[in-house]
Amino acid sequence: DVKVTQSSRYLVKRTGEKVFLECVQDMDHENMFWYRQDPGLGLRLIYFSYDVKMKEKGDIPEGYSVSREKKERFSLILESASTNQTSMYLCASVSAGANVLTFGAGSRLTVL
Amino acid sequence: SQQGEEDPQALSIQEGENATMNCSYKTSINNLQWYRQNSGRGLVHLILIRSNEREKHSGRLRVTLDTSKKSSSLLITASRAADTASYFCATDETGGFKTIFGAGTRLFVKA
Repeated sequence: DVKVTQSSRYLVKRTGEKVFLECVQDMDHENMFWYRQDPGLGLRLIYFSYDVKMKEKGDIPEGYSVSREKKERFSLILESASTNQTSMYLCASVSAGANVLTFGAGSRLTVL
Repeated sequence: SQQGEEDPQALSIQEGENATMNCSYKTSINNLQWYRQNSGRGLVHLILIRSNEREKHSGRLRVTLDTSKKSSSLLITASRAADTASYFCATDETGGFKTIFGAGTRLFVKA
């Protein structure tokens, strides 16, 4: 069964901490995405990557960075967490040229 | 930027009834997809309709697309309590890399 795995389902961090959210896919997909989901706002795209070491800003990249050193792994980094980054974070992947995204189970981050 | 906007925001029906959710979008698209999300989980793909298609069926799901009105609808027939979830439309813009999601419709099916 193909999978997108997000390593942490629930995290609680303090303001100012550096936070790493990891996402690994086993489908050899080229494209990977990080979204955040907030009530009433749906999913908003933070960053995406269409190849190793490549990254593109989405709609709300401020306060975030990403890393893609290997094809299967796409990491989201909060350099200095703030309370307004409390949210559900969803990772997804898809093959180049395909349309259907495969999502991970999500990482719920609370910043105190 | 939000591309799709779902309507209604929330819907509560009895088991066995049909549920209809609508989605409007703003730009030219290659295709439109519907996803489902159970509470606190990731999204699961339900169905994709291409811009040159008008209607598509999959089991109890029926999707329509009207590109002249930039709108789509998802119909779930003979709903079940297990259909309780949030439903999102998503669009791939013409010439774009990104899949953009709407805010979703929360469906509650009462047993």
